[in-house]
Amino acid sequence: GAGVSQSPRYKVAKRGQDVALRCDPISGHVSLFWYQQALGQGPEFLTYFQNEAQLDKSGLPSDRFFAERPEGSVSTLKIQRTQQEDSAVYLCASSLVGGISYEQYFGPGTRLTVT
Amino acid sequence: GQNIDQPTEMTATEGAIVQINCTYQTSGFNGLFWYQQHAGEAPTFLSYNVLDGLEEKGRFSSFLSRSKGYSYLLLKELQMKDSASYLCAVRDAYSGAGSYQLTFGKGTKLSVIP
Repeated sequence: GAGVSQSPRYKVAKRGQDVALRCDPISGHVSLFWYQQALGQGPEFLTYFQNEAQLDKSGLPSDRFFAERPEGSVSTLKIQRTQQEDSAVYLCASSLVGGISYEQYFGPGTRLTVT
Repeated sequence: GQNIDQPTEMTATEGAIVQINCTYQTSGFNGLFWYQQHAGEAPTFLSYNVLDGLEEKGRFSSFLSRSKGYSYLLLKELQMKDSASYLCAVRDAYSGAGSYQLTFGKGTKLSVIP
């Protein structure tokens, strides 16, 4: 079956530009997470959705970061006025709520480079 | 919060056994995960431990000791394709906000050599 997909896979933005990153979770997965992974580091939590509700956004690094999931499926992570420190891979993961292990399934990520 | 430590790099020989350790200090605990991540690819799930002891899954086994804040991932009969980063991740206790976020270590880059 289809896994988590993300687009674009690669994005180059000039400093100050706005970007939008898309995540298509596995069909039927209620929970959706966004993580940021810097080079050589583990993923760091950004935000969490349960259906369309954003229940935790404690990991968003600044108010330039905004995420939405209006219909409880596809999610978009938007970064306004990008800065060089925003360069990273942005990973999306989805999971079933109520599953035995709440295993998170990750997408391939979007590699954002801010020049 | 969570603090998770694992070695940065390890090298092992094809066909051998390697153990990757992970220690954690947490304010809450609701399970420990191991993920494999090949360069430029998504992390993929390997194992999950919530109770003390060993979980075996083919060539991969994972161990947990909650009292010691310690886990390890054991890889047997190493193959060249096992060269990857291995991420240890701890899930917080349920906060009531519905969030089951994972806190990841920095990952251990394993190189398998002939």
